[in-house]
Amino acid sequence: QQQVKQSPQSLIVQKGGIPIINCAYENTAFDYFPWYQQFPGKGPALLIAIRPDVSEKKEGRFTISFNKSAKQFSLHIMDSQPGDSATYFCAAASRQLTFGSGTQLTVLP
Amino acid sequence: NAGVTQTPKFQVLKTGQSMTLQCAQDMNHEYMSWYRQDPGMGLRLIHYSVGAGITDQGEVPNGYNVSRSTTEDFPLRLLSAAPSQTSVYFCASSYHSANTGELFFGEGSRLTVL
Repeated sequence: QQQVKQSPQSLIVQKGGIPIINCAYENTAFDYFPWYQQFPGKGPALLIAIRPDVSEKKEGRFTISFNKSAKQFSLHIMDSQPGDSATYFCAAASRQLTFGSGTQLTVLP
Repeated sequence: NAGVTQTPKFQVLKTGQSMTLQCAQDMNHEYMSWYRQDPGMGLRLIHYSVGAGITDQGEVPNGYNVSRSTTEDFPLRLLSAAPSQTSVYFCASSYHSANTGELFFGEGSRLTVL
């Protein structure tokens, strides 16, 4: 049973577009919601994270929106660039980190 | 700055063989974990450790064994390899626990079981 559901599975946007990746969770014990970015042949790396006491967090071009009542959170990438092409994973943690299934993002030049 | 180091990067095994994937971190992290990554399934937790001498099972522990004799090392043992264990394995560490900060990942070990 997948505790963190992520969509879409893949996403293609033009340079400058705003890709949005969505995640939903069921376990209300989760108290930490990070996003990881993974390039081919590399391990995932932390991109941005949020706690459930805030509804939005921005770091550069990356924004997390968090809806506690709906148990959903999303990643927005402003002014996307070809270098943002990667696989993105949402995750949720209480004692352990549970990952979504991943979204492969392609940003076309 | 080494961070999290995994060896080997690639390995091919025959069904029934055993092997150990090595993981070492030089950041003095208490928390270490092993994940496997399969297409369309994200990363799934195999085993984790919150400190030397303490290990516990994750979501998919069957067929794997771990130990944590030092803070730095957290090896993953495949007892009798099966084709279903073909995957990319990632070791990750954090200063204290999975929900208090960044999880640092190694570059992965790609395992094929024939």
